[in-house]
Amino acid sequence: GEDVEQSLFLSVREGDSSVINCTYTDSSSTYLYWYKQEPGAGLQLLTYIFSNMDMKQDQRLTVLLNKKDKHLSLRIADTQTGDSAIYFCAESIDTDKLIFGTGTRLQVFP
Amino acid sequence: DAGVTQSPTHLIKTRGQQVTLRCSPKSGHDTVSWYQQALGQGPQFIFQYYEEEERQRGNFPDRFSGHQFPNYSSELNVNALLLGDSALYLCASSPDLQGMFDYGYTFGSGTRLTVV
Repeated sequence: GEDVEQSLFLSVREGDSSVINCTYTDSSSTYLYWYKQEPGAGLQLLTYIFSNMDMKQDQRLTVLLNKKDKHLSLRIADTQTGDSAIYFCAESIDTDKLIFGTGTRLQVFP
Repeated sequence: DAGVTQSPTHLIKTRGQQVTLRCSPKSGHDTVSWYQQALGQGPQFIFQYYEEEERQRGNFPDRFSGHQFPNYSSELNVNALLLGDSALYLCASSPDLQGMFDYGYTFGSGTRLTVV
């Protein structure tokens, strides 16, 4: 079945690292994505990882994929107040659609 | 380079009415997908258009229909509006199939539809 789950809320202090977690159920996922949504805005693609990879790093972002446990995480190093937003993980199984989680609201406080 | 453009940005309709939402994909993109994002939820896939045809459809009733034009722009039509149709409707475009895997979708800012 298709189901993507995320914790609803995360609060971190500015300068600390944030880790946002996601679990998915479909083992045939080909790509997994992280999107950011700021208030009143659409979705901004942050990064993605192919299902045969374990890790991907892109500047302050690190994506870890545990395919055995169907667990995906996004680590944001040196979190800033501008990182406050809702973060969605999404999986694509075929070329036609993305399946999104419910989103994690990240709040960064000074 | 303009990204994905959606219009209108906000819309208020009455139950039972019909609505048309519009989307212009990012330059160079030929595939358009529509998503519905209810308040506090993640986006849900409605359908995708490629070469002016609906390629795949999510779990949405026939009241939801769409169209893609030769210039790759797209419309989403919803008939007989229900209160539960109130949501942010997002359009996403992508280049060819491999491009979608490499770059993911580019999303527009959405149309906020309120049904009263």
